Amino acid sequence: DSGVTQTPKHLITATGQRVTLRCSPRSGDLSVYWYQQSLDQGLQFLIHYYNGEERAKGNILERFSAQQFPDLHSELNLSSLELGDSALYFCASSDRTSGTNNEQFFGPGTRLTVL
Amino acid sequence: AQSVAQPEDQVNVAEGNPLTVKCTYSVSGNPYLFWYVQYPNRGLQFLLKYITGDNLVKGSYGFEAEFNKSQTSFHLKKPSALVSDSALYFCAVRESPSGYSTLTFGKGTMLLVSP
Repeated sequence: DSGVTQTPKHLITATGQRVTLRCSPRSGDLSVYWYQQSLDQGLQFLIHYYNGEERAKGNILERFSAQQFPDLHSELNLSSLELGDSALYFCASSDRTSGTNNEQFFGPGTRLTVL
Repeated sequence: AQSVAQPEDQVNVAEGNPLTVKCTYSVSGNPYLFWYVQYPNRGLQFLLKYITGDNLVKGSYGFEAEFNKSQTSFHLKKPSALVSDSALYFCAVRESPSGYSTLTFGKGTMLLVSP
């Protein structure tokens, strides 16, 4: 158990809908990262938050957004969902900004299925 | 831009035999290198990392990796494979900080250990 929790574990929804994925980092970790894992694209970095502030954006679509709250949990919002958004979404945390060498600890993931 | 290549989609090895999972990287500066493992329906688990120092890094579950700067490689090894080692393995790289950089993952290598 990495100490990173994600809810829900599974999510099934329809095209055009909006969903919110939630992540709680390890106790004391200030950084939260979101990744998308799909068969064709592999593991893609989406976005990084550090202590409530956005630090970096990766291959994140404009339909997607995220935020980190004062209690350090994070939410990833996916809107106008398309079939191609079906994937595993992982959250990871680390105890410093990733300008240092600390490894990231991954949550169990949320499997999103868009029908 | 930094990148990681895992040239083998799948590696097959018999239990008790040594295993190697290959990884090569490209960064413009000095690399921070990581190996993660993913079991079915689970998040990624950290195995080991190379930051600086000894080129041979020892990690969890008897795994080790050798950093080779001239060949820009960071191959994962284990002297004697177990059936329970069967999983998806990811190599990742981050450029050592002269600013901010994210973690870039390879596409993953499926390791299958047969009894």
